[in-house]
Amino acid sequence: QKEVEQDPGPLSVPEGAIVSLNCTYSNSAFQYFMWYRQYSRKGPELLMYTYSSGNKEDGRFTAQVDKSSKYISLFIRDSQPSDSATYLCAISGYSSASKIIFGSGTRLSIRP
Amino acid sequence: GAGVSQSPSNKVTEKGKDVELRCDPISGHTALYWYRQRLGQGLEFLIYFQGNSAPDKSGLPSDRFSAERTGESVSTLTIQRTQQEDSAVYLCASSLRPSGELFFGEGSRLTVL
Repeated sequence: QKEVEQDPGPLSVPEGAIVSLNCTYSNSAFQYFMWYRQYSRKGPELLMYTYSSGNKEDGRFTAQVDKSSKYISLFIRDSQPSDSATYLCAISGYSSASKIIFGSGTRLSIRP
Repeated sequence: GAGVSQSPSNKVTEKGKDVELRCDPISGHTALYWYRQRLGQGLEFLIYFQGNSAPDKSGLPSDRFSAERTGESVSTLTIQRTQQEDSAVYLCASSLRPSGELFFGEGSRLTVL
């Protein structure tokens, strides 16, 4: 079993729609949960960073962590064509020397 | 520099040759990662350096792969006797602290013919 599993997509939605992206993880000891966005031929960049269960909101983006279910989500409201990218979940932190592990990424396309 | 710098940005090599990829992290960042990203895929963890601790090499796919880091500075990823399946983008990232925000370079795109 992979340590983190991500819905592969691709996902195509119309502009203005609400997007839901999801990942599950296997080790309940993971403490840090991140979402990265990667545009074509670029390195990923951090979008959201959380370390506890619950919701964290930043503008049109909301990150949700459910540690009891080992499930993390990213919601995008009022999606824009500029949101078209690959979204990668990442987890870390069951020890101070823990590496950061990424999901396989979901390719998202927002249709104008 | 202002960001993570990787070189070369593109490398085409013949099967069986050795290649060396370089990463120059953000100054002061103690953590450094190498990931591999095949076309249309996610990031595959290769190796993690944290300060002066022994690196986590658990992601290296074979003994043809090795990496070094000089203190908290430059890192090189070496692939010996390259194979076609090694073709991918190799991404380097650095972070100020363990499990902190990763800052990625633009990647080194390796093509093995």
